[in-house]
Amino acid sequence: DGGITQSPKYLFRKEGQNVTLSCEQNLNHDAMYWYRQDPGQGLRLIYYSQIVNDFQKGDIAEGYSVSREKKESFPLTVTSAQKNPTAFYLCASTESSGNTIYFGEGSWLTVV
Amino acid sequence: AQRVTQPEKLLSVFKGAPVELKCNYSYSGSPELFWYVQYSRQRLQLLLRHISRESIKGFTADLNKGETSFHLKKPFAQEEDSAMYYCALGLSSGSRLTFGEGTQLTVNP
Repeated sequence: DGGITQSPKYLFRKEGQNVTLSCEQNLNHDAMYWYRQDPGQGLRLIYYSQIVNDFQKGDIAEGYSVSREKKESFPLTVTSAQKNPTAFYLCASTESSGNTIYFGEGSWLTVV
Repeated sequence: AQRVTQPEKLLSVFKGAPVELKCNYSYSGSPELFWYVQYSRQRLQLLLRHISRESIKGFTADLNKGETSFHLKKPFAQEEDSAMYYCALGLSSGSRLTFGEGTQLTVNP
């Protein structure tokens, strides 16, 4: 079954801790994205990567970090520097030649 | 910078009534516009794109470059249309998308 898999679906973190959200795709897509979804604010782009070993900051990259060592994987680390990390995080991917985005099911992160 | 605005956060209609979800964008070039939908407990998915000029699930959307709008319309709303709808703007094929704030549509019986 092809698609994008995010894990974990639910995650609790204590303040001051870093946490990494996993995103894996078997669609052979070149580009991958991380969005944050907050009520009333839509989807805001955190980081994106158009090719392996390369990534760019999105609109709200502060307090986050990513890596793209493999085409299939684009993990997101929410660091302790992120002031308001409690949110729903969505990973997505596209072919390099297309704009149709395929989304994962999302990960809920709660800071306690 | 490009921007997408969906002025209505919440929209409620009765079954069988027409529905229009508004989307305005700001971009000086030739954009690609999309509508994405997120049904309850499902992942976000593409509904339609302006290039295709197609009707999906009875929905249509026309790109109006003069008014910089890409409103989503359906003549007769159904209860199963209740969902969150996002308008999105792409600058060219393969580029990152900019999303609007989303409109939560509720179709009442």
